[in-house]
Amino acid sequence: DAGVTQSPTHLIKTRGQQVTLRCSPKSGHDTVSWYQQALGQGPQFIFQYYEEEERQRGNFPDRFSGHQFPNYSSELNVNALLLGDSALYLCASSSVSRDYGYTFGSGTRLTVV
Amino acid sequence: GQNIDQPTEMTATEGAIVQINCTYQTSGFNGLFWYQQHAGEAPTFLSYNVLDGLEEKGRFSSFLSRSKGYSYLLLKELQMKDSASYLCASEGDSNYQLIWGAGTKLIIKP
Repeated sequence: DAGVTQSPTHLIKTRGQQVTLRCSPKSGHDTVSWYQQALGQGPQFIFQYYEEEERQRGNFPDRFSGHQFPNYSSELNVNALLLGDSALYLCASSSVSRDYGYTFGSGTRLTVV
Repeated sequence: GQNIDQPTEMTATEGAIVQINCTYQTSGFNGLFWYQQHAGEAPTFLSYNVLDGLEEKGRFSSFLSRSKGYSYLLLKELQMKDSASYLCASEGDSNYQLIWGAGTKLIIKP
């Protein structure tokens, strides 16, 4: 049973560019949340998708957008990249029962230069 | 406002017991999670408390007091592989997002 898979693992982008990160949730999960984690900090909530709709959004600018597909997989898009966007981006999947809490993927390490 | 506090760093000895505390102030409350995170890796789920009391899972136990806004993670029979960051996270009234502490870096010494 595959857990949460994220791609790519690492990414280096230049300021001003755009990036798309991908996430496939754990089997049986229908909800995907995205988090940004700076070095030495706890994750910060970006947004959550359920039934292909953005259900909740954290304090992130509109440069951060997302999408959820019918198979529950999700994408995170970041436009006009800033140096401060360099971080580990984590995808977490969950289901209504939350028996196992949120399951996290291994993350995408984004470096903006 | 919403705030989660936990110590920045703790040190313990292999084979010993350590307690990592977490206090939280969130708008509403729907549960308290503990996650383990090794450097450069994703957080791994350890426990979820929604009712007051102690939940035990092998070497790891987690306690919650909702009236005090307080939780702790207890690790017994410490092993070197337990060296990691331990993050406390609260699910507030939005029910859709976790509010995280900055994590407690636990260092295990032989």
